[in-house]
Amino acid sequence: QIQLVQSGPELKKPGESVKISCKASGYTFTNYGMYWVKQAPGQGLQYMGWINTETGKPTYADDFKGRFVFFLETSASTAYLQINNLKNEDMATYFCARRLGRQFDYWGQGVMVTVSS
Amino acid sequence: DIQMTQSPASLSASLEEIVTITCQASQDIGNWLAWYQQKPGKSPQLLIYGATSLADGVPSRFSGSRSGTQYSLKISRLQVEDPGIYYCLQGYSAPPTFGGGTKLELK
Repeated sequence: QIQLVQSGPELKKPGESVKISCKASGYTFTNYGMYWVKQAPGQGLQYMGWINTETGKPTYADDFKGRFVFFLETSASTAYLQINNLKNEDMATYFCARRLGRQFDYWGQGVMVTVSS
Repeated sequence: DIQMTQSPASLSASLEEIVTITCQASQDIGNWLAWYQQKPGKSPQLLIYGATSLADGVPSRFSGSRSGTQYSLKISRLQVEDPGIYYCLQGYSAPPTFGGGTKLELK
């Protein structure tokens, strides 16, 4: 069955970097883009952008240009989100999601990133 | 970016009651509207796509409709497992945008 399995929770200090993984299984990884969504504590869902799994080209939403990096390890059917120079406002749960048509049909379980000095 | 205004922000309803949640799009998005349910500590689950199509495995008490640029999610008979936060998502144009969410509780 189709699954997106993400890495575990992270505790980081401001200024550090974090790398979150999203391993896909049950389908052909390169047939679907991988998307990233942020959810701050007690808040709604915010679209971050996506990566073309065929070409590796990332596209970032405006609020996520600069410190955020999407990349792939295609041989492992895995997508990554790296956040550099962490700030307090980056504390959130980060989801990966597959897009089918115009909606996200499968989601990872989410990774909670805590930023604290 | 297209704005999705979701209402109400929260509601409380009784078992077996009919519940309706709406999303107003800031411009025409056709039928490119999906609805999600999110429970605490979990990822969102797809309920409705294409404004009116039921996702696989979703109970038939959930339904979606459209009137112009207003979209509705209806739960025909609220069940004990239905409380959570519901979100709409427009997929018409980039970037995809979510509504602010509706927190549904049991009365």
